[in-house]
Amino acid sequence: GESVGLHLPTLSVQEGDNSIINCAYSNSASDYFIWYKQESGKGPQFIIDIRSNMDKRQGQRVTVLLNKTVKHLSLQIAATQPGDSAVYFCAEGRGKLIFGAGTRLAVHP
Amino acid sequence: SQTIHQWPATLVQPVGSPLSLECTVEGTSNPNLYWYRQAAGRGLQLLFYSVGIGQISSEVPQNLSASRPQDRQFILSSKKLLLSDSGFYLCAWSQASGDYEQYFGPGTRLTVT
Repeated sequence: GESVGLHLPTLSVQEGDNSIINCAYSNSASDYFIWYKQESGKGPQFIIDIRSNMDKRQGQRVTVLLNKTVKHLSLQIAATQPGDSAVYFCAEGRGKLIFGAGTRLAVHP
Repeated sequence: SQTIHQWPATLVQPVGSPLSLECTVEGTSNPNLYWYRQAAGRGLQLLFYSVGIGQISSEVPQNLSASRPQDRQFILSSKKLLLSDSGFYLCAWSQASGDYEQYFGPGTRLTVT
């Protein structure tokens, strides 16, 4: 069925390296995609979003890439810091937000 | 600026007891409101959403109910809790204009014993 999923459940990176978190979606009708960061015991926080008429969007240290051909979404974090350690969720919007299962990012010194 | 509050932050309840979780939003009017449940290490499951006072849509059949007695107040309830109701409950709001971006509250950790 239609779903939003993630390629890697856990990602470990060294502090200072770049991180790439991937997400696949199955519904080409989705017109909005969003990334959230959730720290342990807290609610998800908005990171960055992108509409389907865009391929790339940049924020502060983060970039979201959208490849509609293969229905793939990625979140790139530059110069990963210990404070980036969290679970990252992608979500697709088609009337409502549908969330993926999440990827845990662990940053090691 | 807008803020969203949830309480209590944590709750331990016995099986069969009632439940009432409250969510309030400040700094906006006529928001869309949402209740999600998150099992440990899992994603977010949408339980209910509301586009206005007294308007509740249920996404999944379950032991819970929701109410919206005021524009910026959203309540999640149960008459008799089950063990399977344990989880992390999140309230969120979004603009009513169709903007997808949702803003989440701090969550309530519910443990049913």
